[in-house]
Amino acid sequence: DAKTTQPPSMDCAEGRAANLPCNHSTISGNEYVYWYRQIHSQGPQYIIHGLKNNETNEMASLIITEDRKSSTLILPHATLRDTAVYYCIVRGSGTSYDKVIFGPGTSLSVIP
Amino acid sequence: GAGVSQSPRYKVTKRGQDVALRCDPISGHVSLYWYRQALGQGPEFLTYFNYEAQQDKSGLPNDRFSAERPEGSISTLTIQRTEQRDSAMYRCASSPDRGMHEQYFGPGTRLTVT
Repeated sequence: DAKTTQPPSMDCAEGRAANLPCNHSTISGNEYVYWYRQIHSQGPQYIIHGLKNNETNEMASLIITEDRKSSTLILPHATLRDTAVYYCIVRGSGTSYDKVIFGPGTSLSVIP
Repeated sequence: GAGVSQSPRYKVTKRGQDVALRCDPISGHVSLYWYRQALGQGPEFLTYFNYEAQQDKSGLPNDRFSAERPEGSISTLTIQRTEQRDSAMYRCASSPDRGMHEQYFGPGTRLTVT
């Protein structure tokens, strides 16, 4: 089972920041938070990942709470091309070290 | 450079036939993953390899499903005696090294069992 919970859908106005929340209350100390997105029928695309510090790259920013039980993916200036399903993933640990479990994700609609 | 490729892109088969789906990972990538995705759902983990070794096959639905990666590069997912419920998009992904979850996904193979 996925170790994260996300809202099933969100809307965002074009040009505004899109803030996508994710809860991972059972995350353990050595587990990373990863974000992927999937546009229409394409394969998922890696966005960003982090452990406990906030991270930023050319695509997005990742804010992880101090207790690491939740995080937010921020798309600073959403465009129509950002319409996609966004998946928040916690990497498996122990014997499931490399296993990646996708949940249903959040369907983001960017509205003109 | 070349990304992950999969073949065939579309496969229609009759119930009871065997099918083999191929994945060509990015050259040099250590880890290779197979997923199955139904419409409107996230990818469902099937199995993965580090080099030629199959590390985890706990996601394979039953013993009709098998996968191999004999030389640590190309991988084949085989479904024997296909059933209609096997119809789905089958996706392959590769990663430069184990533990790195920047996975690069292929375009997928759409399998339809009639």
